Amino acid sequence: EAQVTQNPRYLITVTGKKLTVTCSQNMNHEYMSWYRQDPGLGLRQIYYSMNVEVTDKGDVPEGYKVSRKEKRNFPLILESPSPNQTSLYFCASSLWFSGNQPQHFGDGTRLSIL
Amino acid sequence: DAKTTQPNSMESNEEEPVHLPCNHSTISGTDYIHWYRQLPSQGPEYVIHGLTSNVNNRMASLAIAEDRKSSTLILHRATLRDAAVYYCIDGGATNKLIFGTGTLLAVQP
Repeated sequence: EAQVTQNPRYLITVTGKKLTVTCSQNMNHEYMSWYRQDPGLGLRQIYYSMNVEVTDKGDVPEGYKVSRKEKRNFPLILESPSPNQTSLYFCASSLWFSGNQPQHFGDGTRLSIL
Repeated sequence: DAKTTQPNSMESNEEEPVHLPCNHSTISGTDYIHWYRQLPSQGPEYVIHGLTSNVNNRMASLAIAEDRKSSTLILHRATLRDAAVYYCIDGGATNKLIFGTGTLLAVQP
């Protein structure tokens, strides 16, 4: 089944403890992206990747890192998490990025930083 | 910033058609109109997209105005599982989908 898989689905952790949210897709998609969703602010892009080894900042990249060493994986790294990074996170992918390509989203990761 | 305008909420009855409107008056001639929906506790889900002519798929139909300044997502027979937030998106951004606040659709049994 074609899908975008995120792990973990839920995580409660403490300030400053490094964490990684994994994202994997099995559709051989070139484009991948991370969004965060907050009440009243909607979905905002954090980072995106047009292809392997090509990543770039989205609208809210502060406090996050990403890597794209292989096509299927696009992990989101919080080196020193802070409470303002408590949010619902979504990974997305598409064959490539264009206005004509539908995007596939994962089921989300709910992070709580205490 | 979202470049589309949608009603905050709409209500429908089960098994009746639903017409969800969207205004995108600044859309450029080559940009697609996308619709996604987000069910409770899930990620956004692609519904349909189109450029100029009307589009149909197994989930919905998309009616695009001739001047392309507005479109309507049509769910032919609403079910309780169609209750979700529906996002209309101008596909003109270069690296992302720009989600607005969407329309919260409630479906009554």
